This record gives sequence, C-alpha cells and structure tokens, in this order.
Amino acid sequence: KNQVEQSPQSLIILEGKNCTLQCNYTVSPFSNLRWYKQDTGRGPVSLTIMTFSENTKSNGRYTATLDADTKQSSLHITASQLSDSASYICVVSLYGGSQGNLIFGKGTKLSVKP
Amino acid sequence: NAGVTQTPKFRVLKTGQSMTLLCAQDMNHEYMYWYRQDPGMGLRLIHYSVGEGTTAKGEVPDGYNVSRLKKQNFLLGLESAAPSQTSVYFCASTLTGNYGYTFGSGTRLTVV
Repeated sequence: KNQVEQSPQSLIILEGKNCTLQCNYTVSPFSNLRWYKQDTGRGPVSLTIMTFSENTKSNGRYTATLDADTKQSSLHITASQLSDSASYICVVSLYGGSQGNLIFGKGTKLSVKP
Repeated sequence: NAGVTQTPKFRVLKTGQSMTLLCAQDMNHEYMYWYRQDPGMGLRLIHYSVGEGTTAKGEVPDGYNVSRLKKQNFLLGLESAAPSQTSVYFCASTLTGNYGYTFGSGTRLTVV
C-alpha cells in the first residue's frame, strides 16, 4: 500500500533554533517528493520538489534531502522564526498512471516559541 | 495575479441541503483538483480534471459531483449534504502533473 509517514506529529522549538522533520514513504513507482508548508487556515504552499536523482534542494532557510534507496526524506529548518509555525506536509507523487497521483502525509505541526 | 480562488470561505449546511463550491484559477492551468482535509488525516482527493470538459474520480468521490465547463473553473457539488462531509475543502491546480500544485485558501464546511 502506498503510504507516507511523517515524524514527529508535533514539535515545539525556540526561535532561532534549528529543527529537522522526517518523512518515510512506501510509494511505488516513485516520481518526485514534495514538501509543503500549511499555515493555520490557509492552503498548502510548495517549498521544494525533488526527483529521484536529486539528493538535496534548498529554499531559503529550508533544506530538503532525499534518499531514494532508503525511501526517506527530511526537511531541515535553519534559524527558525515565529513565522515558521505551521504544518509541514510531505507529499510523494506516483510515476505515470492517472493525474490524481499524490500521496499526502499527515503533516508535522511545528510551533516556534519566542 | 489571484492564483486559485475558492468561494465561499465558510458555510454551514443542514443535513440534506445541497450546495456548490467554486474554484477559479487564472494561471491557465490544465489540471485541477478537489481535496478534503480532516483532522489527523492527510489530504484526500475527491475528484480531479485534466482539462476542460473532463473529470475523474479520486480516492473519496462518493456524495460529490464535479464539473469543468470552463478551463478556469472547477465546481464541486454536494447534492444531499451529510454530517460526514463536514471538512475543509481545498482546490488545487497545476500546469502538468510534474509541477508544484497551487492551492486555494480552502472552504470550511459544516453540516449539522
């Protein structure tokens, strides 16, 4: 069964600290992996998209890594800010098939405290 | 550039009532999607469209219908609302399946 598992479910950190969110997937055939940020009451916003051949992709203070062999991804947030408080969703896209082919994780809720 | 716009933002329905959620995008995207998001669950695909005049079922299509009469609009209909359809509904669009999706800001629907 195609699944995307994220950990931890929730995380509280102090402003200025770094953190890493984890994503494990069992999706086949794999096309790409995406990280989204979802602020409370808003729709998800894309942070990164990585294909099979990409190991790392950055977007400002966000750095995503992908290990296609172990089917693991991480999202590292550097020097956290209060505005980073949000849910972070890992999404894996299936290769081929129909266009309704995104498998969503349940998200990690990050709270950044002053 | 508005992106993806959803209307309404909030709605309360009584069981058995009907309503239509509207999604409009101004990016000339071919593909459009309707998702629902429930507490403790990932987004689940209801219906999607790969172009004007086409629709297809997603993971949880029962109780919903859709139409894509114009490329920029994707409508989601509930013919007879049930409490189990209480959820937050998101519309998304993309140029092709390999690009990032642009999501709307959501419609919070409560069925009492």
